[in-house]
Amino acid sequence: KAGVTQTPRYLIKTRGQQVTLSCSPISGHRSVSWYQQTPGQGLQFLFEYFSETQRNKGNFPGRFSGRQFSNSRSEMNVSTLELGDSALYLCASSLEGRTPETQYFGPGTRLLVL
Amino acid sequence: AQSVAQPEDQVNVAEGNPLTVKCTYSVSGNPYLFWYVQYPNRGLQFLLKYITGDNLVKGSYGFEAEFNKSQTSFHLKKPSALVSDSALYFCAVTADFTGFQKLVFGTGTRLLVSP
Repeated sequence: KAGVTQTPRYLIKTRGQQVTLSCSPISGHRSVSWYQQTPGQGLQFLFEYFSETQRNKGNFPGRFSGRQFSNSRSEMNVSTLELGDSALYLCASSLEGRTPETQYFGPGTRLLVL
Repeated sequence: AQSVAQPEDQVNVAEGNPLTVKCTYSVSGNPYLFWYVQYPNRGLQFLLKYITGDNLVKGSYGFEAEFNKSQTSFHLKKPSALVSDSALYFCAVTADFTGFQKLVFGTGTRLLVSP
């Protein structure tokens, strides 16, 4: 079974631009979560989607948004990019998004904001 | 609020020796605990998890972890380290009362296994 895939793997943007990242979950998984990884803040939860609905949200500004499609694929969008948004963005999928399911992570998208 | 502490930024061990990576947690309700490993330029790979039952959990690549409720710890162990085990290790927790999957991660411990 194919794992979680994320595209693109690398991105370079400038301040003020917006960016869209894509995540395809493991086949059959309906829950998709997004995490941001930075050297200073570590791994932080962004949001979780299930059945095209955002069920859970972390403590991030409204510039960070996401959506999920009927095939469970998910996208996250960051508008008005800031230098501090430079990070590795990780997507994770699980069957139903209920504890204590295991989340399986993709390779991440590394975003550099100049 | 849930939290995880990994007190060591780096652990150094010689190949063939046993290794321990420490993790303590704080959570309301019953904890669900996870260990993930991250290799350079890669995502997180699942190693093992504790849900309930036996306090010794066995996982991938020969790793195991011991859940200790009284000490609120979930240390990762391996009897004999390999150079290829060198990577960044994350402990994570979620609680049963939340219902929804939202992992809280520790800051990570870099494991360096020398030949």
